[in-house]
Amino acid sequence: AQTVTQSQPEMSVQEAETVTLSCTYDTSENNYYLFWYKQPPSRQMILVIRQEAYKQQNATENRFSVNFQKAAKSFSLKISDSQLGDTAMYFCAFRGETSGSRLTFGEGTQLTVNP
Amino acid sequence: EAGVTQSPTHLIKTRGQQATLRCSPISGHTSVYWYQQALGLGLQFLLWYDEGEERNRGNFPPRFSGRQFPNYSSELNVNALELEDSALYLCASSLGEQSPYDNQPQHFGDGTRLSIL
Repeated sequence: AQTVTQSQPEMSVQEAETVTLSCTYDTSENNYYLFWYKQPPSRQMILVIRQEAYKQQNATENRFSVNFQKAAKSFSLKISDSQLGDTAMYFCAFRGETSGSRLTFGEGTQLTVNP
Repeated sequence: EAGVTQSPTHLIKTRGQQATLRCSPISGHTSVYWYQQALGLGLQFLLWYDEGEERNRGNFPPRFSGRQFPNYSSELNVNALELEDSALYLCASSLGEQSPYDNQPQHFGDGTRLSIL
């Protein structure tokens, strides 16, 4: 079974600064996908970024980028130029070839962006 | 394009009752997923439906069940409600049955808050 661990329950950052959220996972599979979702107080889960395990290049979406270290089973999210609207709970998620399309989520990191 | 819609927004029940939660996927999506987000327990996978069939099930008792209709909308039924069933229930949808090489992500609705008194 896969497990996803987010070791930072809460983090804060000043507006316009950069913050990195950590995620590690455990799996015996070689082919899988990793995702970061955000859940603002409105509670809708919003996809932030995704990474295919077979791609060596780190994914980037505007201010959001990941540092994917497959050997270390690490998948961190970097948010540049943080904005007040980035305040949310961030979840790391895993989907593997034996998962049957289910997502396995980490515990979440509550990020607060301060003005 | 309308997103995933869930109803009701909030549902209040008492122990022993039955609850029905509904989900309409994004147009064109045939897969529907249900997750439970209980306080302190994170998001747990419940059920996955694709093309009207149950494809996968999480570690939940049989009193959690559901179905998918021909229009791909879905219902989650919870029987014999217990206090620990209080949670946010999230529905997600995606394009058809996914291979691990398929890059189609799951898109989530706003959830149904189920409160058991």
